[in-house]
Amino acid sequence: GENVEQHPSTLSVQEGDSAVIKCTYSDSASNYFPWYKQELGKGPQLIIDIRSNVGEKKDQRIAVTLNKTAKHFSLHITETQPEDSAVYFCAASKETSYDKVIFGPGTSLSVIP
Amino acid sequence: GAGVSQSPSNKVTEKGKDVELRCDPISGHTALYWYRQSLGQGLEFLIYFQGNSAPDKSGLPSDRFSAERTGGSVSTLTIQRTQQEDSAVYLCASSVHGPPYEQYFGPGTRLTVT
Repeated sequence: GENVEQHPSTLSVQEGDSAVIKCTYSDSASNYFPWYKQELGKGPQLIIDIRSNVGEKKDQRIAVTLNKTAKHFSLHITETQPEDSAVYFCAASKETSYDKVIFGPGTSLSVIP
Repeated sequence: GAGVSQSPSNKVTEKGKDVELRCDPISGHTALYWYRQSLGQGLEFLIYFQGNSAPDKSGLPSDRFSAERTGGSVSTLTIQRTQQEDSAVYLCASSVHGPPYEQYFGPGTRLTVT
């Protein structure tokens, strides 16, 4: 089955700097890669996703890149702000009608003011 | 509109007791997931319901854990003879059938077994 690894497990950056979180997946058939943000005491929330027919997607300060050949995908946050502090989860799945999403172990991001 | 709701928000129980955790998904969402999240850890998949298909129970850690989904809507996760290692936050999520497959998570139930 699919296995998703995520690095680093913790990340601390100064406000205004960029943050990068990297994930790898094992199942070459996976074609949907969402990223979730979990703030303290809340459930995770989707922040951006990418499908295998594109290599990069941007939404304001966040971007995701995908390298299907290497089975890598990454989240990039630019101009970090204290409210970006949270746990971020990457995930992978196959877009079939009956396939569960497999989550990575998470990255705890701290943005220091 | 209303999001995913879970009840209770907190549950403290004694070791050996049974507990039931409830999840009300977003109306019209045919897929429903249960996850367990221990303190500072990731999301451990437990069980997945999709429409009328047989549930994927591959993540249930033992036969003390079971879940059902009645009428394709509300789901109940039952833990029998609770153990201290069951202490965690139990998260429920729902999604539509088909793209974009975004999962909408509830706030979770924090279970403490004493």
